[in-house]
Amino acid sequence: DAGITQSPRYKITETGRQVTLMCHQTWSHSYMFWYRQDLGHGLRLIYYSAAADITDKGEVPDGYVVSRSKTENFPLTLESATRSQTSVYFCASTRTGQPRAGELFFGEGSRLTVL
Amino acid sequence: QKEVEQDPGPLSVPEGAIVSLNCTYSNSAFQYFMWYRQYSRKGPELLMYTYSSGNKEDGRFTAQVDKSSKYISLFIRDSQPSDSATYLCAMGPLVFHSGGYQKVTFGIGTKLQVIP
Repeated sequence: DAGITQSPRYKITETGRQVTLMCHQTWSHSYMFWYRQDLGHGLRLIYYSAAADITDKGEVPDGYVVSRSKTENFPLTLESATRSQTSVYFCASTRTGQPRAGELFFGEGSRLTVL
Repeated sequence: QKEVEQDPGPLSVPEGAIVSLNCTYSNSAFQYFMWYRQYSRKGPELLMYTYSSGNKEDGRFTAQVDKSSKYISLFIRDSQPSDSATYLCAMGPLVFHSGGYQKVTFGIGTKLQVIP
C-alpha cells in the first residue's frame, strides 16, 4: 500500500550511541519533514527537505543530522544520543511546502528512549 | 508567549455531547487554519482546514475562525467514543506564489475522551 512508513517503531538506546530513524514515502512528495512530539511542547520541526539533496533546519535541529539522497527516503540520525532526545519522532510528507496546498501526511511515529 | 496557545485538557464528555475545542494565536500572518486528529500511538491526520473567517461544516464537525479575535474553534456534535483522541490545531500563512516552504505551527493538542 502507498503511504509513509517509519522504522523502527520503538527503540531503546544508551547515551552517546548513534541512532538512525528511517522514513520512506511512496507518493513521490517533494517535501519531507521530521518532527518531535513532547508533552507540553507539541510538534516541533527538526529538519525538512524540499527535494533530494536539499535539506534545511527547523526549530530544534541541534544534535540531529539528515540526508536525502532519494526522493522517497529521509533518514534522521542522532549522532550521539542524549536523554533530552527521548521523544516520539514523526516523519511527514507533503506535495508542496505551502500549508494551503495540501495536508501533511504523517507516519505512525518512532518512539525513542535514551537511557 | 507561544504563537499558538491550546489547552491540553484532558477534556472528558459523555457520549452525545457537543464538544468545543479552541486555540488562540498571536501571529497575524496566520491565514490558513487546520485541525488534526491524533489517535493514541498514531500519527496526526488532517481533519479539517479553512482559510476564511466564519464556519465550515463537515458532517459532525464544524471549524470556526474569528480572525479579529485570533481565535479558532472546532465543534464536534453528537460526540462518539470513537472521537476520543488528541486534537491539534495548526496554522500557517496563505501564500499564492509557487515554491518555498511556509512553516506550519502546531498547538500542543487537546486530549478528548468521550465516555460511553
